[in-house]
Amino acid sequence: AQSVSQHNHHVILSEAASLELGCNYSYGGTVNLFWYVQYPGQHLQLLLKYFSGDPLVKGIKGFEAEFIKSKFSFNLRKPSVQWSDTAEYFCAVNAQGGSYIPTFGRGTSLIVHP
Amino acid sequence: DAGVIQSPRHEVTEMGQEVTLRCKPISGHDYLFWYRQTMMRGLELLIYFNNNVPIDDSGMPEDRFSAKMPNASFSTLKIQPSEPRDSAVYFCASSFHTGPNEQFFGPGTRLTVL
Repeated sequence: AQSVSQHNHHVILSEAASLELGCNYSYGGTVNLFWYVQYPGQHLQLLLKYFSGDPLVKGIKGFEAEFIKSKFSFNLRKPSVQWSDTAEYFCAVNAQGGSYIPTFGRGTSLIVHP
Repeated sequence: DAGVIQSPRHEVTEMGQEVTLRCKPISGHDYLFWYRQTMMRGLELLIYFNNNVPIDDSGMPEDRFSAKMPNASFSTLKIQPSEPRDSAVYFCASSFHTGPNEQFFGPGTRLTVL
């Protein structure tokens, strides 16, 4: 079974600061990787996903994530955050060739001060 | 499409009462998932259905919890009797084949059991 670890539970930044949220997974096989975002009072929605190909994935709203297979990591980045990026961010993984049922991390709460 | 619809959005009940949460998945999606989100445990998968058939209910915490999907456009999650520790946000999500495809989440039901 796979597991996902998000090391940063709470992150507080000022606008224009750079962001990197860590995500590590444990699974020996090939995986699909996702980042979801949950804005205050809203539902989870997909930010970006990686299945294969270029390990640097670009998503919506200027976010990107890099899959580093040797490190079992899929960190989320944004060069300059905005107040509107305040949200909860979830990393998720599912196993290719398996049930494809995703495992979610505990989430990281990001607060951006204007 | 209106997305995944859940009702009610908020539910406050007293311990011992029956609670029924409802979900309408996105039309055409053949997988439906029920999750529970708490501060302590994060996002937990309770049960999922494929073509209205429950596939894995190993995440259902106790016999007090039950879920049904009588047709492709409706599912319920029932808690009977409810307990204060059931207080959480319950999300429903649907997807078109689990595969590497993303899940689409509903707005959630915030349940408070007094």
